[in-house]
Amino acid sequence: EAQVTQNPRYLITVTGKKLTVTCSQNMNHEYMSWYRQDPGLGLRQIYYSMNVEVTDKGDVPEGYKVSRKEKRNFPLILESPSPNQTSLYFCASSSLAGRANTGELFFGEGSRLTVL
Amino acid sequence: RKEVEQDPGPFNVPEGATVAFNCTYSNSASQSFFWYRQDCRKEPKLLMSVYSSGNEDGRFTAQLNRASQYISLLIRDSKLSDSATYLCVVNIRNAGNMLTFGGGTRLMVKP
Repeated sequence: EAQVTQNPRYLITVTGKKLTVTCSQNMNHEYMSWYRQDPGLGLRQIYYSMNVEVTDKGDVPEGYKVSRKEKRNFPLILESPSPNQTSLYFCASSSLAGRANTGELFFGEGSRLTVL
Repeated sequence: RKEVEQDPGPFNVPEGATVAFNCTYSNSASQSFFWYRQDCRKEPKLLMSVYSSGNEDGRFTAQLNRASQYISLLIRDSKLSDSATYLCVVNIRNAGNMLTFGGGTRLMVKP
């Protein structure tokens, strides 16, 4: 079954304790991306990756890191989480038509993170 | 001004009603447009792409007005199962790498 898998789905942590949210897709997609969703602000892109070893900042990259060592995995790293990073996080992947995003993003089920 | 704007709603409509949402975008260089659906506490899923000539998929019709920089979604014969948040998505970057999401319009269909 084609899917994007995120872990953990729910996490409560404390300020400053490093954490990683994993994301894996089995569709051989070139493009992967992380979003956060907050009430009233919608979905905002954190980082994206066009292919292995290629990552770029989205609209709200501060406080986050990513890596793309393998095509299927795109982990999101919070080196020193703060309460303003409490949010619902979505990983997504997509195939690319040439360099253009086809627009059909496949999302993971989301990771709800609370930073105390 | 937000790059992609939607009325957050909620739109409360009875079953069988026709309802329409608009979404405006600020960048005239925007190239491609989509509607996504998001159920409560779930991930967004692609509903339909929006083509320049307008397109229809069953009870759903999408339109694009480049001159006025908005796209619309029309739902005919609303069903209870149509209750969800509808997200307008625009590909603004000319390189085609990033999709910008609107804040979403919440629809509630009542019996």
